[in-house]
Amino acid sequence: GAGVSQTPSNKVTEKGKYVELRCDPISGHTALYWYRQSLGQGPEFLIYFQGTGAADDSGLPNDRFFAVRPEGSVSTLKIQRTERGDSAVYLCASSLFPDRVKDTQYFGPGTRLTVL
Amino acid sequence: EDQVTQSPEALRLQEGESSSLNCSYTVSGLRGLFWYRQDPGKGPEFLFTLYSAGEEKEKERLKATLTKKESFLHITAPKPEDSATYLCAVQANSGYALNFGKGTSLLVTP
Repeated sequence: GAGVSQTPSNKVTEKGKYVELRCDPISGHTALYWYRQSLGQGPEFLIYFQGTGAADDSGLPNDRFFAVRPEGSVSTLKIQRTERGDSAVYLCASSLFPDRVKDTQYFGPGTRLTVL
Repeated sequence: EDQVTQSPEALRLQEGESSSLNCSYTVSGLRGLFWYRQDPGKGPEFLFTLYSAGEEKEKERLKATLTKKESFLHITAPKPEDSATYLCAVQANSGYALNFGKGTSLLVTP
């Protein structure tokens, strides 16, 4: 079946602008996660949704970052007043049963964000 | 604080030359240890999950093992198509986030 999809695949913006990144999880997956990956580093957790609510947003670096999942499926990561340090690949993952011990997060291809 | 350290950072092997990648971790209550493969420009691809010390899992030329302090990814007779970055991550009992290491970049030459 279809995997996690993310759009756009690439986004170039100017410092100070607002951007939105979209994630479409695997159909039926209740949990959705956002991670950020800088060059040469492993993915870094940002936020986790269970259904429509953000169950854990402890990884968001500051209040310029915000994410929503209004209908419990598609999610949008929103970044205000972008800074050059926000440049990274933003990865989305989804999983079926996060409360079960044997649960797997499946990742999308990522959105490469470049802030000039 | 949970920590994941992978070594080596980079590894170059000749085709057929077996080796192991290491993932050392500290976590306050392990829910699971995950191995992913990541090709350039793509998202991480799930390989294995290990849940308790002594557990082993295999897939083709890859075998993952787990102790209380580290995990190994053994690659037997690798092929050039095994070239990728291999990521290790831990998930604690207290949450759902994956805590990743920096990865090991593997290059297998013909």
